[in-house]
Amino acid sequence: EVQLLQSGAEVKKSGESLKISCKGTRHNFTNYWIGWVRQMPGKGLEWMGIIYPDDSETRYSPSFQGQVTISADKSISAVFLQWSSLKASDTAMYYCARHGIVAGTITHFDAWGLGTLVSVSS
Amino acid sequence: DIVMTQSPDSLAVSLGERATIYCKSSQSVVYSSNNKNYLAWYQQKPGQPPKLLIYWASTRESGVPDRFSGSGSGTDFTFTISSLQAEDVAVYYCQQYYSSPYSFGQGTKLEIK
Repeated sequence: EVQLLQSGAEVKKSGESLKISCKGTRHNFTNYWIGWVRQMPGKGLEWMGIIYPDDSETRYSPSFQGQVTISADKSISAVFLQWSSLKASDTAMYYCARHGIVAGTITHFDAWGLGTLVSVSS
Repeated sequence: DIVMTQSPDSLAVSLGERATIYCKSSQSVVYSSNNKNYLAWYQQKPGQPPKLLIYWASTRESGVPDRFSGSGSGTDFTFTISSLQAEDVAVYYCQQYYSSPYSFGQGTKLEIK
């Protein structure tokens, strides 16, 4: 069974930097697109962007382009979501999830991490 | 970008009754090359990550009870629970994976009447 293990909850202040992680186990992590999804308190799911760990090709939602950085280290089967200067509005649960692949085409999310809660105070 | 719009935003259904949720995409999510609808449905219970229920608009994920079903094509999709159980209380989301950004609908909160 695919597992995506996310780093623990973070409590930060506005202006601080942060990097959270998602490690894949029990599957060929580097050959799947791994995405990040934001869920603000009491709100819906927002697709932020994805990365292909094998070559670090990245695609961002326009809503998040320039606001966050998605990166990967295939040697340790990990992907990361990074902020250089947090805002209170970044307070949310962040999920990593694996997109399936069929004939080279990206498909639905077929595995999810448990989420990393990021709390940012002003 | 494709905008996904679900209706209703919330729904209250009696136990054993049918629950129906609609999802509309701002453009078609069918690939002409394979005639597949790039549309999935997820269930999210409080304090849990989303769980995949349906993909390709109508294919049930392994282990998902057959009371859950999906239908539709092009821009209009339907998600149905044929006989609501207490454990189905959750928020349900549709998502298109036709083109990046792979957007979600705003969610539909399903409750017991």
